[in-house]
Amino acid sequence: NAGVTQTPKFQVLKTGQSMTLQCAQDMNHEYMSWYRQDPGMGLRLIHYSVGAGITDQGEVPNGYNVSRSTTEDFPLRLLSAAPSQTSVYFCASSYNRAGDQPQHFGDGTRLSIL
Amino acid sequence: AQSVTQLDSHVSVSEGTPVLLRCNYSSSYSPSLFWYVQHPNKGLQLLLKYTSAATLVKGINGFEAEFKKSETSFHLTKPSAHMSDAAEYFCVVSGNTGRRALTFGSGTRLQVQP
Repeated sequence: NAGVTQTPKFQVLKTGQSMTLQCAQDMNHEYMSWYRQDPGMGLRLIHYSVGAGITDQGEVPNGYNVSRSTTEDFPLRLLSAAPSQTSVYFCASSYNRAGDQPQHFGDGTRLSIL
Repeated sequence: AQSVTQLDSHVSVSEGTPVLLRCNYSSSYSPSLFWYVQHPNKGLQLLLKYTSAATLVKGINGFEAEFKKSETSFHLTKPSAHMSDAAEYFCVVSGNTGRRALTFGSGTRLQVQP
């Protein structure tokens, strides 16, 4: 049982490039989400999904796209990378979106934009 | 609206002494509250959660937290620190639903001195 798997673990991009961060979970969880972690700011929600085919914006969605074609996968796309998107990105999943559900986190993708 | 304030960005203790990490919250709902731990280069792992049952919540690795509604606090404690407890700790509040269902504190880095 792998839990939440994120790839790649590290990535360096040039300004203007695009890329996709992959996230997969094997727990049949309905709810998946993407966060970015910046020093001294905790985690901020980028986008989330409550099931296949359903996504919505979080707190900081600009510059990112998501889709959810299957229950297992929830990729995050950077459309045109900017230095402000240098961060650590975490994918998380939970059984459903109820507020009392604990989140299961991947180990993160460390992204640097030059 | 909801918010979380972790009162200390850094806490340093000696091995074998008690640990206290402080968290205050505000929420318009009856909140669920969580503590997560993050070890270097890893994702967040659930330590414990409060969901309106017993106000004293026991978690993994000897940690516990007490929900005090009158003080809007949810402080994390451990009677005796171990070197392996050195990590960053996040207090998280959850309301009912919505794009900001989870609000993360900015984190407290715990150092354990030998």
